[in-house]
Amino acid sequence: DVKVTQSSRYLVKRTGEKVFLECVQDMDHENMFWYRQDPGLGLRLIYFSYDVKMKEKGDIPEGYSVSREKKERFSLILESASTNQTSMYLCASSPGQGPYGYTFGSGTRLTVV
Amino acid sequence: RKEVEQDPGPFNVPEGATVAFNCTYSNSASQSFFWYRQDCRKEPKLLMSVYSSGNEDGRFTAQLNRASQYISLLIRDSKLSDSATYLCVVNLGNYGQNFVFGPGTRLSVLP
Repeated sequence: DVKVTQSSRYLVKRTGEKVFLECVQDMDHENMFWYRQDPGLGLRLIYFSYDVKMKEKGDIPEGYSVSREKKERFSLILESASTNQTSMYLCASSPGQGPYGYTFGSGTRLTVV
Repeated sequence: RKEVEQDPGPFNVPEGATVAFNCTYSNSASQSFFWYRQDCRKEPKLLMSVYSSGNEDGRFTAQLNRASQYISLLIRDSKLSDSATYLCVVNLGNYGQNFVFGPGTRLSVLP
């Protein structure tokens, strides 16, 4: 089974801090994604990557950046955390082209105080 | 119009009931389709892909109607453990993947 591992399950950070959320997958998947999920808003795509050192903005990239230096690792960076970034963050990966579903990590529940 | 729309729910059904969820999508170029389930405070997990010919996995049946841009999920003989939110997912991608998630429908199976 594909495993997608997110570094922290729960995280509490202060406003203005730089926050790193790490995601690692172990099945050599080309595609990796970062979503946030909020009640009533569903899953919203922040950034995604189809290859190493490649990144594309999703629907809500403002206030975030990403890094993909190695194929297995996709990091989400909150440059200066704000309270409206309190959310559940979900990383996902999938193989390249084809009708394959995403595999999600278990999520990081981030609270910014 | 939202790209993927689902029955709002919640659906509260007794154990053993049959329940059906509907989903419509707006982009006729959509490539592939999925149903995910998400338990409370957990990550979404792939339940099944949806094929044009319709497909079945035990008590679960998925149907796709490309002409009407409509997807359905039928759960027969529902169990308490089926209680979850069911997400309809549409892949818009030509290269790589571009998933659009529906807002989800919550199901509660009652004893």
